[in-house]
Amino acid sequence: KAGVTQTPRYLIKTRGQQVTLSCSPISGHRSVSWYQQTPGQGLQFLFEYFSETQRNKGNFPGRFSGRQFSNSRSEMNVSTLELGDSALYLCASSLGAGGANEQFFGPGTRLTVL
Amino acid sequence: KQEVTQIPAALSVPEGENLVLNCSFTDSAIYNLQWFRQDPGKGLTSLLLIQSSQREQTSGRLNASLDKSSGRSTLYIAASQPGDSATYLCAVQNNNDMRFGAGTRLTVKP
Repeated sequence: KAGVTQTPRYLIKTRGQQVTLSCSPISGHRSVSWYQQTPGQGLQFLFEYFSETQRNKGNFPGRFSGRQFSNSRSEMNVSTLELGDSALYLCASSLGAGGANEQFFGPGTRLTVL
Repeated sequence: KQEVTQIPAALSVPEGENLVLNCSFTDSAIYNLQWFRQDPGKGLTSLLLIQSSQREQTSGRLNASLDKSSGRSTLYIAASQPGDSATYLCAVQNNNDMRFGAGTRLTVKP
């Protein structure tokens, strides 16, 4: 069974641009969560999508948004990029929503903002 | 607000040693606790998942315990190998999100 895939793996953008990251969950998984990892803040929860609906959201500004499609694939968008958005963005999928489900992580997208 | 702390932040041991990594959390209302491994620049690999009703889980040379009432978990690695060198993260999950510790960076010297 294929794991969680994320595209692209690496991305370089300049301040003020916007970016879209993609995540394909494990087949059959309906929940996708997104995380940001930086050296200073560690791993922080961005949001969770389940059945095309945002179920939970972390403490990030509105520049960070996401969506989920009917096939459970998810995209994350960051608008008006700032230097501080440089990070490893990880997505994780699970069978269902909520805390009882084990999460499986993808390899991440490394975003560099210049 | 859930806070997750991992001690030590870094650990260096000679090959063959048994070692223990510690994780503590402030809110015992969790669904589960997961231990992950992360190699530099890579994603997370799940090592062990302990549901809130369980006390421990084992996989090969790894054993993780959970004491929900005291807000503690330990990851025991037996007979460490250089290939075990990585950052180990613990994460606790409630119904709304998953909170991570800052990790323990482990180096196993040949």
